[in-house]
Amino acid sequence: RKEVEQDPGPFNVPEGATVAFNCTYSNSASQSFFWYRQDCRKEPKLLMSVYSSGNEDGRFTAQLNRASQYISLLIRDSKLSDSATYLCVVNMGGYIPTFGRGTSLIVHP
Amino acid sequence: NAGVTQTPKFQVLKTGQSMTLQCAQDMNHNSMYWYRQDPGMGLRLIYYSASEGTTDKGEVPNGYNVSRLNKREFSLRLESAAPSQTSVYFCASNPGQGNGEKLFFGSGTQLSVL
Repeated sequence: RKEVEQDPGPFNVPEGATVAFNCTYSNSASQSFFWYRQDCRKEPKLLMSVYSSGNEDGRFTAQLNRASQYISLLIRDSKLSDSATYLCVVNMGGYIPTFGRGTSLIVHP
Repeated sequence: NAGVTQTPKFQVLKTGQSMTLQCAQDMNHNSMYWYRQDPGMGLRLIYYSASEGTTDKGEVPNGYNVSRLNKREFSLRLESAAPSQTSVYFCASNPGQGNGEKLFFGSGTQLSVL
């Protein structure tokens, strides 16, 4: 079982829709959590960190559920430019960030 | 501020050839990483260096070697390339305080082994 799991999608949504992704992790001792965005095999770029109390950045909301060992990303009012792959990253202690396989989002007109 | 610089951007090798991927960062980061990305597989860690002078295996180290030349540079070597090593390779770094800081990535190397 992979340590960090994501639904690969694709999630195909119209502009303006709200879409949510989940990511589950296996190590209950995991310490830090991130969402990265990746466009067309370019380098991943940090979208947002995920804090225990949940956090919001504009149209994006991230939440952490330690009891159920998952993090989520909610995107409101989807834009065409949100089309990308969203990577969940979990740091399970120390120096090793572990990536999920990514969730593909396609926003169509 | 260049951040993380990877070279080359593209490379085609024949089976059995060797090559070294170069990575340098100018952010005074302690930790550096090499990942490979294959379709549908996400990023998988090949090797990492928590600090200058140390290197450790990641999830998929077979067929690779690394050198942490100094604090700035972390190279990845393929001694005898195989078609299974066709992939996109990313170098990354972070401050390396051991508590999960965000990663800074290079722009990637597209490697094809024929």
